[in-house]
Formats: sequence, C-alpha cells, structure tokens
Amino acid sequence: DIVLTQSPALAVSLGQRATISCRASESVRSSMHWYQQKSGQQPKLLIYGASNLASGVPARFSGSGSGTDFTFTIDPVEADDIATYYCQQSRNDPYTFGAGTKLELK
Amino acid sequence: EVQLVESGGGLVQPGRSMKLSCAASGFTFNNYDMAWVCQAPKKGLEWVATISYDGSSTYYRDSVKGRFTISRDNAKSTLYLQMDSLRSEDTATYYCARLRLLQWYYFDYWGQGVMVTVSS
Repeated sequence: DIVLTQSPALAVSLGQRATISCRASESVRSSMHWYQQKSGQQPKLLIYGASNLASGVPARFSGSGSGTDFTFTIDPVEADDIATYYCQQSRNDPYTFGAGTKLELK
Repeated sequence: EVQLVESGGGLVQPGRSMKLSCAASGFTFNNYDMAWVCQAPKKGLEWVATISYDGSSTYYRDSVKGRFTISRDNAKSTLYLQMDSLRSEDTATYYCARLRLLQWYYFDYWGQGVMVTVSS
C-alpha cells in the first residue's frame, strides 16, 4: 500500500500562509487530493488532481506537486479554516489517506 | 444539491451483523461509482469498499474482505454495506462517498456519517 506522510499539526496566525506537506512512499503522479474535515463533520473535497480547485472552494486554497511530494496551501488563513486536512492518493489500490494535519491558531 | 444520507448504525456485539444504508439524491445515482470510507474514533480516514456504477464490480480493503459486502439498488438510489462477523476494530464512523472520475478518481461528496460501535 502507498503510505502518505503528513505532519501531525501546524500552528498559524490568522491572515498568514499555511503550508501543509504530504509525501508519498512511491510516485502517485498527479493522483493526489486534499480534504478538509472540521470537528464533528464529514470530510469536504478541496483540491483534486494535485492542483485543481473543487467547485465552490475559495481561491485561498491551492495545491501543487507531483510524483511523491505535494503541498497544500491556505493563503491567507481565516478563522473558519481551523480543521484537519487530509491528503489522499488514487494512483494505486487501495486508495490511502494521510494521517491528517491539524491546523491550529497561534 | 447532492445529498448522501447514511442510516443503520448503532451498537452491535462482536461477531454479529449490521447493515448500513446510504440514500442518495440530487444526482443520477447510476452514473457514479460509490464507496464507503470509515474513521475510527480520533483516527484518520480509511477506504473500506467501492462499487461500480452498475454494481458489476466491487473492491474491498483486505481487513474486511469476506466479512463486508457493498451493494447498491439503482432503482432506489441507495448504497448498502452489509457488515458480518464484526470485530471491535470495526468500530468507526462510516461515510458514504461519491466517486468522481475525471483524469483521477476522487471522493467529491460525502455523507454526514453513521457511527458503528462493536462492543459486548
């Protein structure tokens, strides 16, 4: 199985940039997607295909990368962005998720 | 508006069975592959099973093969997960998710989730 490694937490100030990384144990090409999960809610798709913004998602969110190294960015961070962010690959079965990065306020 | 509404969760004893349902609306259900994804308490997300748009193909993670069965009724726009021989490690919130296929497969809509607790 492809293992996706994310940092467990990131502390940012409102109005600043947040950058979350996801490293895959082998190449997933551009088959990387990012989800936001707020406390007690279901996940929500933000980015698909490494860099494509999902419908209705603000342009403050962006994604980049290919192969094994991916980055998810929020710029600027707003209070409503406090959540856990997951990367997910669909290059190989089984589809796997990273363990999530919890975005916290400084 | 796409809506996915799960039902059927609750408390069940180890070794017993439970069937989850997911009622879909707001899109043409039989045009999409569907999946179940679970999340153990305070843990991350884990793909469980996928079914093709017409039900002809199914895929499972290794830990549930032979115990879980994903199915669908396109006439009722409903997805199911039959869970047999349940174990304590199956305790989780189970989400129904729609799979979108463009150049990649990804989960573009999720239900609110249903909690399954396996305990004696």
